Amino acid sequence: TQLLEQSPQFLSIQEGENLTVYCNSSSVFSSLQWYRQEPGEGPVLLVTVVTGGEVKKLKRLTFQFGDARKDSSLHITAAQPGDTGLYLCAGASYSGAGSYQLTFGKGTKLSVIP
Amino acid sequence: DTAVSQTPKYLVTQMGNDKSIKCEQNLGHDTMYWYKQDSKKFLKIMFSYNNKELIINETVPNRFSPKSPDKAHLNLHINSLELGDSAVYFCASSHGTAIYTGELFFGEGSRLTVL
Repeated sequence: TQLLEQSPQFLSIQEGENLTVYCNSSSVFSSLQWYRQEPGEGPVLLVTVVTGGEVKKLKRLTFQFGDARKDSSLHITAAQPGDTGLYLCAGASYSGAGSYQLTFGKGTKLSVIP
Repeated sequence: DTAVSQTPKYLVTQMGNDKSIKCEQNLGHDTMYWYKQDSKKFLKIMFSYNNKELIINETVPNRFSPKSPDKAHLNLHINSLELGDSAVYFCASSHGTAIYTGELFFGEGSRLTVL
């Protein structure tokens, strides 16, 4: 079983501050996805990174996939209260019979205080 | 229109009972999943079906039995419920089995509480 370690587990910051969430593994993934989950709802995809070293930007969010495709980071610039939520990384790996499986990290709970 | 819908949203039941959670997706996807999210928010896959066929079956007690009558539906039946089964169960779907570049669409979750 491939494991994804996310850090920090909890993060509470003031509005306007910057933050970085890390997702690390000893295994190589075909791709890595980042999801955001709000209370009482299911996770919603933010981005998928596929190529080692890839950087993707989504407004104030910057996602990076490690060169070796074992780790990823999410950087938020000038955090806003609307960024509050649970951020989950998920690595895709081949599970045989032509199918892939997503393994989720344990999540980072972000609170942005106005 | 809700893309992935699951019912019920909340379920409170006694130990030993049998219960079912239903899931339907209207996205035309051919792969559906059941995930379990525990109290620490850890999301773990339980089952995956592609075109009504089981393709992933993680180490889950055989009290849990998924059923897919067609590719738009994947229901979860749980027999002899135990306290440790309390969790939020998420149904999800994706296009194809090659989800390494695809996206999982999740339902809103079904919170199961076993007393």
